[in-house]
Amino acid sequence: QSVLTQPPSVSAAPGQKVTISCSGSSSNIGNNHVSWYLHLPGTAPKVLIYDNNKRPSGIPDRFSGSKSGTSATLGITGLQTGDEADYYCGTWDNSLSAGVFGGGTKLTVL
Amino acid sequence: EVQLVQSGVEVKKPGESLKISCEGSGYIFSTNWIAWVRQMPGKGLEWMGIIYPGDSDTRYSPSFQGQVTISADKSISTAYLQWSSLKASDTAIYYCARQGYTYGYDRWGQGTLVTVSS
Repeated sequence: QSVLTQPPSVSAAPGQKVTISCSGSSSNIGNNHVSWYLHLPGTAPKVLIYDNNKRPSGIPDRFSGSKSGTSATLGITGLQTGDEADYYCGTWDNSLSAGVFGGGTKLTVL
Repeated sequence: EVQLVQSGVEVKKPGESLKISCEGSGYIFSTNWIAWVRQMPGKGLEWMGIIYPGDSDTRYSPSFQGQVTISADKSISTAYLQWSSLKASDTAIYYCARQGYTYGYDRWGQGTLVTVSS
């Protein structure tokens, strides 16, 4: 059971928008920055969003992040079949004194 | 270019010891925390622990405390993850990652597949 809760799967059609939620608590999301990662099996995870809503260079603005209270959200617009992957949120948990990830969300572009 | 290069595939037997590595290049290795992350077959990412190579300050997830040892040698820009007695349940891909953001990881190693089987 992950400390951060994500939906196991989401799906949408090409060109549409999808959001992926990440729910935590005051010991993690509520008081720390959140990052989001894209992970394709057999490859290294890649950061999409850091510090809640910042995009590293090279990440298209189709990807966005937001945080409110103890929850964070990843948004992806203009969905492409190439966006099919597993997505993870991550942050630090002050109670555990450890990093934490969500359980991951599998995105299917129908 | 910042890179983390991990050691290769390992196939071990239960009870054996193992030490895998993660070599950083393209930046000052001692100035960024390095985390280790596990992905068991068909499962999600699990944060195991983190080390600051500059002074070897190390933190472990409660789930992994006592199960593994994280270390680093800043003179050769390398972090390590080791087991003293492997179990079949240690079969997984292990990633190292550089903490380049506040609690976020900007560079990842390619992963090391560890298979433990009798």
